[in-house]
Amino acid sequence: KNQVEQSPQSLIILEGKNCTLQCNYTVSPFSNLRWYKQDTGRGPVSLTIMTFSENTKSNGRYTATLDADTKQSSLHITASQLSDSASYICVVTKSSGDKLTFGTGTRLAVRP
Amino acid sequence: GAGVSQSPRYKVAKRGQDVALRCDPISGHVSLFWYQQALGQGPEFLTYFQNEAQLDKSGLPSDRFFAERPEGSVSTLKIQRTQQEDSAVYLCASSLALGGNYGYTFGSGTRLTVV
Repeated sequence: KNQVEQSPQSLIILEGKNCTLQCNYTVSPFSNLRWYKQDTGRGPVSLTIMTFSENTKSNGRYTATLDADTKQSSLHITASQLSDSASYICVVTKSSGDKLTFGTGTRLAVRP
Repeated sequence: GAGVSQSPRYKVAKRGQDVALRCDPISGHVSLFWYQQALGQGPEFLTYFQNEAQLDKSGLPSDRFFAERPEGSVSTLKIQRTQQEDSAVYLCASSLALGGNYGYTFGSGTRLTVV
């Protein structure tokens, strides 16, 4: 069973609308959680990184939240743009090492 | 260069052929990681280096996979006797240091297709 589960698997929204992507994890002990954006044919690019003590982190139109008690995170995208079309991957790092555990991602398509 | 560079971008190999994938990390980055990403999936860990030392190779799927970083900079991932199940994108990432809160910079990957 994957230690990082994401939902939905895919999502289509209209340009200008908001959306929220979910991430549940079981990785323990937990060090930090990152959200990455991966465009087709490109490597992942970091959006946010949050440690155990942080509840929210913003990067422009992207806002990530973290509830370490329930082991849930969300990524909220405001006023979506066509260029937001990509896969969004939740990544968790164990505090005992440096291996990143990736979720399978949410594929977002923003339509005009 | 400013980013992590991987070559080749695309590689088609006949089953049974050996391949070598190259990663040029950001200059000065101590940590280097290799990941395998199957179509529609998230990347999965293969191995990582701190300088020239390979600290963890637990993710390598078989003894046909071998990685090296002899001088602590450029790394090569070698796959011997390729099989169809090896078809994937191989991503390289580097980080300034070990310690999970450092940022990771990924290359664009090498897409390997075994026919």
